[in-house]
Amino acid sequence: NAGVTQTPKFRILKIGQSMTLQCAQDMNHNYMYWYRQDPGMGLKLIYYSVGAGITDKGEVPNGYNVSRSTTEDFPLRLELAAPSQTSVYFCASSYHLLGQSLNTEAFFGQGTRLTVV
Amino acid sequence: GQQVMQIPQYQHVQEGEDFTTYCNSSTTLSNIQWYKQRPGGHPVFLIQLVKSGEVKKQKRLTFQFGEAKKNSSLHITATQTTDVGTYFCAGNTGRRALTFGSGTRLQVQP
Repeated sequence: NAGVTQTPKFRILKIGQSMTLQCAQDMNHNYMYWYRQDPGMGLKLIYYSVGAGITDKGEVPNGYNVSRSTTEDFPLRLELAAPSQTSVYFCASSYHLLGQSLNTEAFFGQGTRLTVV
Repeated sequence: GQQVMQIPQYQHVQEGEDFTTYCNSSTTLSNIQWYKQRPGGHPVFLIQLVKSGEVKKQKRLTFQFGEAKKNSSLHITATQTTDVGTYFCAGNTGRRALTFGSGTRLQVQP
């Protein structure tokens, strides 16, 4: 089992460029998340999805877009890269039983280290 | 919005000393999870607590969920160098996604 796979692992972008961070999971999880982690800091939620076709904003959504056309994939799009978006990006997934308020264990990808110069 | 704070931000201990990190939420949590992130790695799930006042143990690690379900703690007995990393608590309330605490970075001196 691959779990949660993120690509690329590293990327350098110039200011104003755009890119898509890919995330795929093979565990049939309904919930997927994107977090960013600045150096020495905690994880901030960017966007999340509770199922195919449904996405929702997190704490820091500005400058990002997501889509969830399939259960497996949850790409994160940066349209106009800015230095403030230099960070490590983690995708995660978990399974959530319908009608229950509890999340189960979240599985994280290896992360994408992004630098905007 | 919901805030989850952790203290301390950083702790440096001698190998063999105990370590405790505390997690406090501004709102009641339905459950709390703990994760460990090794330097340069990704967060890895340790445990989930659901019930008020719940205590769970994993070898040298003891996890506790407060009676009001607004705070939690992780205690490590007799730290080892393999315990080095950042420990995060995470919970969810109104928003259906996990909100992570700010993390406590543990350094263990051999």
